[in-house]
Amino acid sequence: NAGVTQTPKFQVLKTGQSMTLQCAQDMNHNSMYWYRQDPGMGLRLIYYSASEGTTDKGEVPNGYNVSRLNKREFSLRLESAAPSQTSVYFCAGAGGATGETQYFGPGTRLLVL
Amino acid sequence: RKEVEQDPGPFNVPEGATVAFNCTYSNSASQSFFWYRQDCRKEPKLLMSVYSSGNEDGRFTAQLNRASQYISLLIRDSKLSDSATYLCVVLAGNNRKLIWGLGTSLAVNP
Repeated sequence: NAGVTQTPKFQVLKTGQSMTLQCAQDMNHNSMYWYRQDPGMGLRLIYYSASEGTTDKGEVPNGYNVSRLNKREFSLRLESAAPSQTSVYFCAGAGGATGETQYFGPGTRLLVL
Repeated sequence: RKEVEQDPGPFNVPEGATVAFNCTYSNSASQSFFWYRQDCRKEPKLLMSVYSSGNEDGRFTAQLNRASQYISLLIRDSKLSDSATYLCVVLAGNNRKLIWGLGTSLAVNP
């Protein structure tokens, strides 16, 4: 099992460009999440999907959109990248005995110039 | 007051030492508690859940103090490989929202 995978691993964008971060999981998780992690700010939830076909805003959704394409895949889109979106992005699925354990992908490092 | 607070450290300890971290939380209705470990430039990974009665996993012991609203992590016989950032996570509120602490940095030195 690959667990949670993310592509790309690294990306450099110019201000105003768009891109989609891909996430896939083979752990049969119902819930999936997108976080960003910045120095001194910790992990902040951007969007989450409690189940296939549903998405909800997290703490910092502005500038992002998401798609829960199916149970396995949850993508994050930046329509017009800004330098403030320079960050490390983590996708996670939730599972475990109580359904609360977060299993993270390896992250995408994004630099917006 | 932040919802989840941790001492950022860094904690510098020699191999073999015992080290303890605390994490305080503000929402008395918090339901579940976790410690995650994050290595440099890697993703967070679950270290252990924290149960009301306290729990132990090898060299790691986690405890919950609901009255004072904090959880703790004790690491005995520290190894070089324990060097990482330890994140405290609390599941709080009716919306079952996960709140992440900023982490405590640990460096175990030879």
